[in-house]
Amino acid sequence: SQTIHQWPATLVQPVGSPLSLECTVEGTSNPNLYWYRQAAGRGLQLLFYSVGIGQISSEVPQNLSASRPQDRQFILSSKKLLLSDSGFYLCAWSGPPGRTEAFFGQGTRLTVV
Amino acid sequence: AQSVSQHNHHVILSEAASLELGCNYSYGGTVNLFWYVQYPGQHLQLLLKYFSGDPLVKGIKGFEAEFIKSKFSFNLRKPSVQWSDTAEYFCAVTLKAAGNKLTFGGGTRVLVKP
Repeated sequence: SQTIHQWPATLVQPVGSPLSLECTVEGTSNPNLYWYRQAAGRGLQLLFYSVGIGQISSEVPQNLSASRPQDRQFILSSKKLLLSDSGFYLCAWSGPPGRTEAFFGQGTRLTVV
Repeated sequence: AQSVSQHNHHVILSEAASLELGCNYSYGGTVNLFWYVQYPGQHLQLLLKYFSGDPLVKGIKGFEAEFIKSKFSFNLRKPSVQWSDTAEYFCAVTLKAAGNKLTFGGGTRVLVKP
């Protein structure tokens, strides 16, 4: 069966520090991968979307970047965190070509202080 | 750009009342449609999905949704809610022409009073 792992679950980082959140999927190949940010009252905002290794679509301009170094690995990064980067980040995968539902990781609560 | 709109941000109702949550999307073409639910403190989980065929889709826990292509809508319904339906509900869409990326609406918080 397929599983998705996202870590860490919680993170407190100072302003200006770097960020790396990792997400891996097991039990499937060539998944679509997503990074979302969930904010109260604003739903799930799609940040990055990937259909394959090295193929990243950025949905909103921001202080974050994403990479997909391997088929089932998706990394969310920042060189210098801002206070406004605080939030709840979710990784998800779906089977191509988008005809299956998305499955979500446990999420990471990021607090920038 | 594709977008998904959920009309109600907050809904409060009593047990046994009927629930309908609106969802509209902003583009034509082939779409797949989803409703997700997030119970307090839990992960997002799928309620139901529509890919093709019968536009009236039945999901888990007594929920159903109707795809009306002419109205670009996929409204969620439940005839009689329970206190345990208190949750946040998200509509989501993938558009084939946009590479099947999954876009969510803003969510609707539903509070069912016992």
